[in-house]
Amino acid sequence: DAGVTQSPTHLIKTRGQQVTLRCSPISGHKSVSWYQQVLGQGPQFIFQYYEKEERGRGNFPDRFSARQFPNYSSELNVNALLLGDSALYLCASSLLFEEANSPLHFGNGTRLTVT
Amino acid sequence: LAKTTQPISMDSYEGQEVNITCSHNNIATNDYITWYQQFPSQGPRFIIQGYKTKVTNEVASLFIPADRKSSTLSLPRVSLSDTAVYYCLVGAIKLSFGAGTTVTVRA
Repeated sequence: DAGVTQSPTHLIKTRGQQVTLRCSPISGHKSVSWYQQVLGQGPQFIFQYYEKEERGRGNFPDRFSARQFPNYSSELNVNALLLGDSALYLCASSLLFEEANSPLHFGNGTRLTVT
Repeated sequence: LAKTTQPISMDSYEGQEVNITCSHNNIATNDYITWYQQFPSQGPRFIIQGYKTKVTNEVASLFIPADRKSSTLSLPRVSLSDTAVYYCLVGAIKLSFGAGTTVTVRA
């Protein structure tokens, strides 16, 4: 079975631009979460979606938005990019939502560089 | 959300056993404890998960005492390829990772 896939793998944008990152979960997984990982730190929670509805949001500004499609794939959008948005953006899928023993399965991320 | 505390770094040698302890004093009744491994420029990879006592799989063991306020990940006979960052997480929703434990295995 294919794991979580993310595209693109690398991206370079200029300050003020907008970016869209894409994620396809493991087949059968209905929950998708997005994380931001800055160099030297652990992944920080941005959003969680389940059955196309937002079920959780981390401490990120409104410039960050996301959505989940009927096929459970997801997009993360970031507007008005800042230099500080440079990071590895990770997508994770899980079989269930709010199930205590449903671990996260991560993709290898999109490396975003803002210049 | 249960906060976790784990050592920043640990050094070991090939063939040794590595034990990483994670403290989670305010773990909730229905929280599971999950450990992930991360290599540079890759997403975290699920290693093991448990609720109480001991869980073992092909790569690691997880020891959880009766009060569940801590847990210990045990990596038997580590190799150079086990050099990575290891994260302990408690719960299932809105999970942010801490800094993790950087394990360095030397020859």
